[in-house]
Amino acid sequence: DGGITQSPKYLFRKEGQNVTLSCEQNLNHDAMYWYRQDPGQGLRLIYYSQIVNDFQKGDIAEGYSVSREKKESFPLTVTSAQKNPTAFYLCASRSGTSINTGELFFGEGSRLTVL
Amino acid sequence: GEDVEQSLFLSVREGDSSVINCTYTDSSSTYLYWYKQEPGAGLQLLTYIFSNMDMKQDQRLTVLLNKKDKHLSLRIADTQTGDSAIYFCAESTRSGYSTLTFGKGTMLLVSP
Repeated sequence: DGGITQSPKYLFRKEGQNVTLSCEQNLNHDAMYWYRQDPGQGLRLIYYSQIVNDFQKGDIAEGYSVSREKKESFPLTVTSAQKNPTAFYLCASRSGTSINTGELFFGEGSRLTVL
Repeated sequence: GEDVEQSLFLSVREGDSSVINCTYTDSSSTYLYWYKQEPGAGLQLLTYIFSNMDMKQDQRLTVLLNKKDKHLSLRIADTQTGDSAIYFCAESTRSGYSTLTFGKGTMLLVSP
């Protein structure tokens, strides 16, 4: 079945370590997004990419990095520079055919805990 | 700037109707959306409405849009315990369709 797969679902990290969250989609979607969700904060946009080899910062990009070398993949690296990395991270994608409605398709999320 | 506001919590009894409200500030919003998030999961699109519409109905869901007041609501008829979740309102941004702006979410708790 087509969809978005995020891994790992749960991840623990020590302070000072970088960690990479995987996001893969087989929907043939052009655009991909990373959001961060904190209790009571809603969703905040970290980075997004509309095409391969191109990406833009969202509202809270500091301490994060991304790459978009393949259409299917949009990994997010949480660096040691991110001051409060413990959160639930959501990856999403959008196809060109849904551009008029802007519908986003979401993965199941990755919960990162810094010990 | 763009902002989307929602009440944080709503509690109803099974069988009652639920109404979740949302206000937004971007007058150029083209589409407005309702997403549902169950515990520990991603978001699923429930429904959306185009800005030139006043109402949209889809089975138990009714969306009302008051563009003058920038107010959006989601009514769930005959609410079931399986409807317990967080509901997010979102709008398409002024810059086009590249991003959506989400509210903070309304937690709906349905008691038997």
